[in-house]
Amino acid sequence: EVKLLESGGGLVQPGGSLRLSCEASGFIFSDHAMRWVRQAPGKGLEWVSGINGAGGSAYYAGSVQGRFTVSRDNSKGTLYLQMNSLRADDTAIYFCARVLTVGTFKTLDYWGQGTLVTVAS
Amino acid sequence: DIQMTQSPSSLAASAGDRVTITCRASQNIKTYLNWYQQKPGKVPKILIYGASNLHGGVPSRFSGSGSETDFTLTISSLQPEDFATYYCQQSYGVPYTFGQGTKLEIK
Repeated sequence: EVKLLESGGGLVQPGGSLRLSCEASGFIFSDHAMRWVRQAPGKGLEWVSGINGAGGSAYYAGSVQGRFTVSRDNSKGTLYLQMNSLRADDTAIYFCARVLTVGTFKTLDYWGQGTLVTVAS
Repeated sequence: DIQMTQSPSSLAASAGDRVTITCRASQNIKTYLNWYQQKPGKVPKILIYGASNLHGGVPSRFSGSGSETDFTLTISSLQPEDFATYYCQQSYGVPYTFGQGTKLEIK
């Protein structure tokens, strides 16, 4: 059974940092690209970041570029999101999600339950 | 960035109705379009990928169509469990942006 479990969320002051983790199990972790998606309270989904299976290529939304860094440790089956210079508008539930590739199409087939990040003084 | 615009933002319908949700991309994304369903307090669930391909286990009353910039998600006969928020997402180019969502409510 595929499982994704996020951790590391919490309350942080503006300008602070947090590191989110996503522990994966039930599949060969290195075979799949992974994504971070966030959802502000009562709002829609926002794609945040992605990383390929080997960890050599990473991508970011413009709103987090230069502040967030995605990485992965395939030996531990864990995805990370280092978040620096946090702002109030980064407040959201952060989901990690597995990428399913079918031919040239990519979609998100498994999602974790999310971890809440609150940026406030 | 590619902008994804859904319409309507909300929709009230009754069980048994046929419902169509539209998603428009700001540029040609071929058929690199996914649809997700999210129920309150739950994580999103993939329904359709590649604009028209039903993900495994998704009921056949869901269907998708479209290409380039205009896409639709159709539910042929609404069931009580279909009342949720629906999101489109393009997977053509980074960042893989989502639409703002369409909330489907009970009339």
